[in-house]
Amino acid sequence: AQSVTQLDSQVPVFEEAPVELRCNYSSSVSVYLFWYVQYPNQGLQLLLKYLSGSTLVKGINGFEAEFNKSQTSFHLRKPSVHISDTAEYFCAVTRGDNFNKFYFGSGTKLNVKP
Amino acid sequence: DVKVTQSSRYLVKRTGEKVFLECVQDMDHENMFWYRQDPGLGLRLIYFSYDVKMKEKGDIPEGYSVSREKKERFSLILESASTNQTSMYLCASIHATGGTDTQYFGPGTRLTVL
Repeated sequence: AQSVTQLDSQVPVFEEAPVELRCNYSSSVSVYLFWYVQYPNQGLQLLLKYLSGSTLVKGINGFEAEFNKSQTSFHLRKPSVHISDTAEYFCAVTRGDNFNKFYFGSGTKLNVKP
Repeated sequence: DVKVTQSSRYLVKRTGEKVFLECVQDMDHENMFWYRQDPGLGLRLIYFSYDVKMKEKGDIPEGYSVSREKKERFSLILESASTNQTSMYLCASIHATGGTDTQYFGPGTRLTVL
């Protein structure tokens, strides 16, 4: 079975501080990994994705994530956050042999304080 | 830009009513999805469709049905709404290549069942 764990339900951080949002997955086969962001009262939009190749993936708005196969993790990072980054972030996984099934984590609410 | 639109942003219905949630995408995507989003649970897949008139159950199909008569439109039906179906409903679409492509989301419909 596939599962995605986001251990932190809420992450408070001050503006211009670095942040890391954690994501771990379980899978016995190869996976594709995604981070989505949901701003208040909006749908989800893709931040970045890992399909293959370099394990460090850069996305929009200055975010990046690193795929660590041995630790089955795909943590999201930003070196300096802005107030506008306040949103909920979802990690998602899909398997290479089943493109139609996306498994989402429970979400992490990032609250950037001035 | 891909656009996924949902017929209503907010909907209030009474227990026992039949409810239709409509989703339309304009990018000729083969695959369409209905998710339910609840706090602390992330997104859970209700149904998906990979072609006109084709559908597959997701993780929580009980109490729901779907219809896909045209490629661009995917409807979620609550045959007899219940209070435990109060939730945010998100529609999404993606090309048939699935996981290597980007899944696009609509803005969501917040359904309240009284």
